[in-house]
Amino acid sequence: GAVVSQHPSRVICKSGTSVKIECRSLDFQATTMFWYRQFPKKSLMLMATSNEGSKATYEQGVEKDKFLINHASLTLSTLTVTSAHPEDSSFYICSAGGQGVIDTQYFGPGTRLTVL
Amino acid sequence: KQEVTQIPAALSVPEGENLVLNCSFTDSAIYNLQWFRQDPGKGLTSLLLIQSSQREQTSGRLNASLDKSSGRSTLYIAASQPGDSATYLCAVNAGKSTFGDGTTLTVKP
Repeated sequence: GAVVSQHPSRVICKSGTSVKIECRSLDFQATTMFWYRQFPKKSLMLMATSNEGSKATYEQGVEKDKFLINHASLTLSTLTVTSAHPEDSSFYICSAGGQGVIDTQYFGPGTRLTVL
Repeated sequence: KQEVTQIPAALSVPEGENLVLNCSFTDSAIYNLQWFRQDPGKGLTSLLLIQSSQREQTSGRLNASLDKSSGRSTLYIAASQPGDSATYLCAVNAGKSTFGDGTTLTVKP
């Protein structure tokens, strides 16, 4: 089956630094990838839709300058948390589908970000 | 805006019981629905995927049904085991996935 990887799996950083999270589709091409955030004991909230070769579409309330998304190729999307603060600490998960939005979404294993 | 509700929020059962988890959604124009399992501090494990044209899917002791017209899906777990203890999430894909808040299941030995 299709595999989506994320790197790193866990990151701890100091307040004010920027952190980049990678999401890769390992054995298929994904024109669209999605980024989710999960707060403790809560469900996943969609942050943005990442489109290869174009700007990401952000959900209402998500700061696009805070969470920079780049979908540079059909197998890689990155999420950069800029000037991270403790409130940005969360579990970030990406998903990708081989045929765009109608396809089965394969989810990455997630990245746990802790900002001190 | 799609809204997904999962009932109950938490469930505790003795080992061996059959149980049903419920998921309801407000917009029936969906492509598919997935059920996931999430263990504490871990990522998502996909359990079952039902396409909008399908009524049910089965995998081992798990059976998921979909009634798109009424906006409902159920996940049936047969002969529950302590290892089934986890949070179960349903996600409705209507172009982007919307998740329910999950049902936290505890199966007691």
